Amino acid sequence: GNSVTQMEGPVTLSEEAFLTINCTYTATGYPSLFWYVQYPGEGLQLLLKATKADDKGSNKGFEATYRKETTSFHLEKGSVQVSDSAVYFCALSEGTGGFKTIFGAGTRLFVKA
Amino acid sequence: EAQVTQNPRYLITVTGKKLTVTCSQNMNHEYMSWYRQDPGLGLRQIYYSMNVEVTDKGDVPEGYKVSRKEKRNFPLILESPSPNQTSLYFCASRAGQGNGYTFGSGTRLTVV
Repeated sequence: GNSVTQMEGPVTLSEEAFLTINCTYTATGYPSLFWYVQYPGEGLQLLLKATKADDKGSNKGFEATYRKETTSFHLEKGSVQVSDSAVYFCALSEGTGGFKTIFGAGTRLFVKA
Repeated sequence: EAQVTQNPRYLITVTGKKLTVTCSQNMNHEYMSWYRQDPGLGLRQIYYSMNVEVTDKGDVPEGYKVSRKEKRNFPLILESPSPNQTSLYFCASRAGQGNGYTFGSGTRLTVV
């Protein structure tokens, strides 16, 4: 079946460091791919998305490119801030009908001042 | 404001006592879904709905029921809760394929 695998956390960075959180997926067809962010005590918020191969999603300085050849959707940010500390989830929405959305286990990010 | 509203935020109940967690969205979304979040397991889909009166099982449906009588509402029903259903529950809704979900704030359920 379809699945999403994220790098295990926690990831600890200093402010202004470069961030990469790896995400790979297994899917039949052509899924849509997403990154969500969860701040403490809150629900998940959509961060960015890509719906077809080679699409780049971007928002708030975060970027991710849909790589079909490597089945990856890695999240990157050039300069992290303390306020980026949160849990990040990679997800895919199944292509045919897109009814089911599958989430990775999440990666916790700590950013130190 | 576009949002998904869940109630209650916190609930402590006893084994076997039926409960309902309500979910309502004001965005006219067709798709709605319930997830549970457990440490180390991420989010797992319980049930989803593609439209009024159309629902289907997710990955962990045992012990749960849902209904979709109106487009805006998608309640989660636990007929006979057990301690292994202690978890953080999220309702979410989205527009068509390729769109991301809008999540509610969550319901933390404890079954003793």
